[in-house]
Amino acid sequence: QKEVEQNSGPLSVPEGAIASLNCTYSDRVSQSFFWYRQYSGKSPELIMSIYSNGDKEDGRFTAQLNKASQYVSLLIRDSQPSDSATYLCAVEVLIQGAQKLVFGQGTRLTINP
Amino acid sequence: GAVVSQHPSRVICKSGTSVKIECRSLDFQATTMFWYRQFPKQSLMLMATSNEGSKATYEQGVEKDKFLINHASLTLSTLTVTSAHPEDSSFYICSVERGHTEAFFGQGTRLTVV
Repeated sequence: QKEVEQNSGPLSVPEGAIASLNCTYSDRVSQSFFWYRQYSGKSPELIMSIYSNGDKEDGRFTAQLNKASQYVSLLIRDSQPSDSATYLCAVEVLIQGAQKLVFGQGTRLTINP
Repeated sequence: GAVVSQHPSRVICKSGTSVKIECRSLDFQATTMFWYRQFPKQSLMLMATSNEGSKATYEQGVEKDKFLINHASLTLSTLTVTSAHPEDSSFYICSVERGHTEAFFGQGTRLTVV
């Protein structure tokens, strides 16, 4: 089982709708969770971090964390064509005594005008 | 956040030669930097953790003699791909972390070995 799993997509959403991205993780003791956006040919940029159960909102983005279900999601409201990118879920995992970021394979999102 | 500058952004080299990639933390002193590799349509894989003033820590399966890391100052880490081969062609990205393991990435280096 992979440590961090995402549906690779592609996920197509019409402009103005809500895009919902999901991620599951295997390490029950993980405490830190992140969403990164990566445009084609570019490096990832941090868009959201979440550490506690529940919702965290920042502008059009809402991250949701459920540690009991080992599930973290990202909602993008009022989707724009500029939101088209690959979204990477990252989880802090304890590996061989060190905290490391483990990334999912990413979900490719396309917003259709 | 953190400002991370990586250079070069793109490099093409001949098989058997070595390539050096620089990663600079511009707005804070980073005792630790991280090097990732990303193959097309795949996720980021951590290669090694660069530690200022000491040896780098390499992930399982990453050859330390092939991927030389030097972290001589608090703002600069370098990754040298030695005796590069076509299978080393990839997107190499460095990062620094602040706070709760929030990673901030450099622009990445697209390496093509011909």
